[in-house]
Amino acid sequence: GQNIDQPTEMTATEGAIVQINCTYQTSGFNGLFWYQQHAGEAPTFLSYNVLDGLEEKGRFSSFLSRSKGYSYLLLKELQMKDSASYLCAVRDAGNNRKLIWGLGTSLAVNP
Amino acid sequence: NAGVMQNPRHLVRRRGQEARLRCSPMKGHSHVYWYRQLPEEGLKFMVYLQKENIIDESGMPKERFSAEFPKEGPSILRIQQVVRGDSAAYFCASSPPEIETQYFGPGTRLLVL
Repeated sequence: GQNIDQPTEMTATEGAIVQINCTYQTSGFNGLFWYQQHAGEAPTFLSYNVLDGLEEKGRFSSFLSRSKGYSYLLLKELQMKDSASYLCAVRDAGNNRKLIWGLGTSLAVNP
Repeated sequence: NAGVMQNPRHLVRRRGQEARLRCSPMKGHSHVYWYRQLPEEGLKFMVYLQKENIIDESGMPKERFSAEFPKEGPSILRIQQVVRGDSAAYFCASSPPEIETQYFGPGTRLLVL
């Protein structure tokens, strides 16, 4: 079956670093996405990984290991505004662009 | 370039009425996706469309729900004879032909009384 696993909740301190993990079991793989969603708002795109390795974009980085079915999102220099839900999604193989979504990790950043 | 537009932002219907949710993708985007989200829950895929074609509707309930993306005009998600369980946020996303990334609209919050 298709399955995406993320921790349900995480807590971190302002200024710190936090790593949000995502593991997936899918019949195929054609890329992994991370989105941020603030309460009551729409998801916004953060990163896309299709090859193994680390992609860095400002305070946010995303890592992928296809052989392990594993990704993480790394947030540095945490700010209060980073309190949000972080969604991991995998695109299956083939021409269908449908994404398989995890349930999201709710991150609380405390002062 | 305007983002993905959805209207209405809030919609209240009584049980048995019809709900029509509209989504205008970003300019140049020919792929549209509809999602449903209940409070404190994840995104649930409903349907993926390209212009005039339904590509994947595996997440659509078999009855009462339909979607279209005509050659001209917005994509429409239609819910007939709404029930209280249809109350949710419905998000639309779009992507261009050449890249995978989906960009989300602000959503429509449907409340069924």
